[in-house]
Amino acid sequence: GDSVTQMEGPVTLSEEAFLTINCTYTATGYPSLFWYVQYPGEGLQLLLKATKADDKGSNKGFEATYRKETTSFHLEKGSVQVSDSAVYFCALTRSGGYNKLIFGAGTRLAVHP
Amino acid sequence: EAGVAQSPRYKIIEKRQSVAFWCNPISGHATLYWYQQILGQGPKLLIQFQNNGVVDDSQLPKDRFSAERLKGVDSTLKIQPAKLEDSAVYLCASSLDFASGGNEQFFGPGTRLTVL
Repeated sequence: GDSVTQMEGPVTLSEEAFLTINCTYTATGYPSLFWYVQYPGEGLQLLLKATKADDKGSNKGFEATYRKETTSFHLEKGSVQVSDSAVYFCALTRSGGYNKLIFGAGTRLAVHP
Repeated sequence: EAGVAQSPRYKIIEKRQSVAFWCNPISGHATLYWYQQILGQGPKLLIQFQNNGVVDDSQLPKDRFSAERLKGVDSTLKIQPAKLEDSAVYLCASSLDFASGGNEQFFGPGTRLTVL
C-alpha cells in the first residue's frame, strides 16, 4: 500500500544552520505531496505542497521539490530559527483517491540559539 | 475565518468506559476527517465524511468506534468500550469538497485521550 518514510529525529541544529529533512514515498500513480508542521501545543498546519512531478512547494523560507524519479520530497531551509522548532510531517494523497492523507512518522526539529 | 473546533481538549478515562469527541468544521467545508495520532507516529485516518455520508471507514475499529455527522456539519466520534491502546490524540480536519479538487485539509487542535 501507499506509505511515507521520513528520517528519524530528533534533529538538533544551531540557529542559522541549513536544514534538510528527508522524505521518500511509495504510491501508485501520481500522488500529491505535503509537508505539515506541528508547533508545540498547536494543531497541524500545512507548510507547503506540490501536486505534480518537478513542482517546488515553498513557504516561510522552506522548500521541497517533488522528485518522481527518486520518489522523494525532501524539506529544506537555508537558515533555521529557534521559532522553527516543531515536528514536521511528510504526507501524500493518492491521485484519484478520496483525499485521505497518509503521513510519515514525523521528525522533531530542535533549534538552539 | 474560524478554524476547526474540537472539544474536549483533554480526557482521561478508565478502560472499558466510553468517551465521545466533538468536532465543528470550517463553515462550508463538505468533507470532514477523523484521524488518530498515537504518540511517536503520524496521524492515521479513521473515518471520512462527505456531507453526511461516509466515504472511507476502512481503518475504523467498528466493534468499538463509531462516528456520525447527521446534519452534514458537526461530527461526533465515540469509543465504547475504551482500551488502553486507544490512548492517542484524535484530530479532526475539514476540507472543501474533495471531489472538486479541494485537497487542503485544515486541522483542529485535537483531543488528547488517556485511557488508564
